[in-house]
Amino acid sequence: EAQVTQNPRYLITVTGKKLTVTCSQNMNHEYMSWYRQDPGLGLRQIYYSMNVEVTDKGDVPEGYKVSRKEKRNFPLILESPSPNQTSLYFCASLHYGANVLTFGAGSRLTVL
Amino acid sequence: AQSVTQLGSHVSVSEGALVLLRCNYSSSVPPYLFWYVQYPNQGLQLLLKYTSAATLVKGINGFEAEFKKSETSFHLTKPSAHMSDAAEYFCAVTLGRGGADGLTFGKGTHLIIQP
Repeated sequence: EAQVTQNPRYLITVTGKKLTVTCSQNMNHEYMSWYRQDPGLGLRQIYYSMNVEVTDKGDVPEGYKVSRKEKRNFPLILESPSPNQTSLYFCASLHYGANVLTFGAGSRLTVL
Repeated sequence: AQSVTQLGSHVSVSEGALVLLRCNYSSSVPPYLFWYVQYPNQGLQLLLKYTSAATLVKGINGFEAEFKKSETSFHLTKPSAHMSDAAEYFCAVTLGRGGADGLTFGKGTHLIIQP
């Protein structure tokens, strides 16, 4: 089944403890992106990647890092999480010819 | 730069009634427009998209949307609401490649279906 897989789906952590949210897609998509969803704010783009080894900042990149060493994987790294990064995170991917983003199921992160 | 405004953070309709969710966009060039739906505890699923072909776009689950350039609108409708339509709906706009150039989302409209 064609899909975007995120892990973990739920995580509670403490301020300053580094964490990584993984994202993997099995559709050979060139483009991948991370969004965060907050009540009343909709979805905001954190980082995106146009292809392997090519990444760029979205609208809210502060406090996050990403890497794209392989086409299928696009992990989101929080080096020193803070409570304002408590949010619902979505990974998405796209094939340029199809013109539509496919989203993962989401990762709910709580930083205490 | 593009932007999207969804009127009404919450919309409540009776089962069987017309569903109308409003979306207005701002874009300097002809945009691509999307409606996504998010069911509880799930990711976003594409309902329909406008990519400069027909102005009336039909999507899944009986939803449709009409692109009106003069009104800069892309409202979502469904003739008869069903309980299973209760969800969060997001309108989104991009200038090209379906999101590779940056997909800007509205803040969402929570659709409530009254029995």
